[in-house]
Amino acid sequence: SQQGEEDPQALSIQEGENATMNCSYKTSINNLQWYRQNSGRGLVHLILIRSNEREKHSGRLRVTLDTSKKSSSLLITASRAADTASYFCATAGYSTLTFGKGTMLLVSP
Amino acid sequence: GAVVSQHPSRVICKSGTSVKIECRSLDFQATTMFWYRQFPKKSLMLMATSNEGSKATYEQGVEKDKFLINHASLTLSTLTVTSAHPEDSSFYICSARGGAVDTEAFFGQGTRLTVV
Repeated sequence: SQQGEEDPQALSIQEGENATMNCSYKTSINNLQWYRQNSGRGLVHLILIRSNEREKHSGRLRVTLDTSKKSSSLLITASRAADTASYFCATAGYSTLTFGKGTMLLVSP
Repeated sequence: GAVVSQHPSRVICKSGTSVKIECRSLDFQATTMFWYRQFPKKSLMLMATSNEGSKATYEQGVEKDKFLINHASLTLSTLTVTSAHPEDSSFYICSARGGAVDTEAFFGQGTRLTVV
């Protein structure tokens, strides 16, 4: 069953601005992962944060995890037009990987 | 990152026929594979999880006899849509994980199925 819920559903910004997407989930997790999907394509793994971690960085990406609030955020700094895509959080249990509804990000030049 | 190859990328079939989609991990052994279905502008819906050599675990509401999953080897899983109907038209994506739950999963490029 779907567990993650991303917020906002859609986000439109200008190049150079930062984009923040949030994800909330309902049950306990082993880890939380963020993925990116270009229209009609497969998913690209961006970052994985374990349940005992609070923050992780990868290039222009910053992910936080608050297990007490069952929420995570993905920050993309200095956005580029090429960052335009849908972004999904996925929560990993013992044997499942379930996705939220996603945030559609549009970065205008 | 690791590579997962999904084939075919697009398929059009007639109503009533069966379609097989292959998912291969090219450079690692996939102990677990996931199959997802995605509707336009929607998220991925987990259909089933399969571990090599054992029967797939289907999510609630997914018909086992309609969506046959085989994970016969550590590098190959197949999804067969049997007796396809237009409502089965969708984007199907496979994912493979080589290690424990604490490792990332790698995704195929997806298969666009159109049933006419």
